[in-house]
Amino acid sequence: DAGVTQSPTHLIKTRGQQVTLRCSPISGHKSVSWYQQVLGQGPQFIFQYYEKEERGRGNFPDRFSARQFPNYSSELNVNALLLGDSALYLCASSLREYQETQYFGPGTRLLVL
Amino acid sequence: EDQVTQSPEALRLQEGESSSLNCSYTVSGLRGLFWYRQDPGKGPEFLFTLYSAGEEKEKERLKATLTKKESFLHITAPKPEDSATYLCAVRTETSGSRLTFGEGTQLTVNP
Repeated sequence: DAGVTQSPTHLIKTRGQQVTLRCSPISGHKSVSWYQQVLGQGPQFIFQYYEKEERGRGNFPDRFSARQFPNYSSELNVNALLLGDSALYLCASSLREYQETQYFGPGTRLLVL
Repeated sequence: EDQVTQSPEALRLQEGESSSLNCSYTVSGLRGLFWYRQDPGKGPEFLFTLYSAGEEKEKERLKATLTKKESFLHITAPKPEDSATYLCAVRTETSGSRLTFGEGTQLTVNP
């Protein structure tokens, strides 16, 4: 079975641009979470979606937004990119909303110049 | 605020030299402690979930244990392929599905 997939794998943008990252969860998983991982640090929670509704939001500015589609795939959008947004963006899926192990995808490496 | 601290930051071992990684946590109402392995440039790979003090889980050369304040990841007779960053994360009764991660321990096993 396929694991969590993310696209693109790498992305280079300039300051002020907008970016959309995509995630497909493990088949049957209905919950998707997004994390940002800066080099040398642990992942930081950005959003969680379950059944197409936002269920949690981390301490990130409104420039960050996300949505989940009827097939449970998800997109993370970041507007007005800053140099500090350069990071590995991770998507994780779980079967249900709570008390479930989260399985991570390979991530999208975003570099903002 | 939930806090997770991992130690040491980095650990170098010789092949076959057993050791332990530590994850200490300060949370309100633990609802799960998770260990992940992360290779450079890749996403975290799930290893273990622990829910209550006294619980232990094993997988090959790895064994995870949990107390009320900390968790240990014991590595027995490690091999070079065990080299990776090991991440600890917690979920609490107030965090929903949010995982709070530690900074990780970078393990290098030399042949």
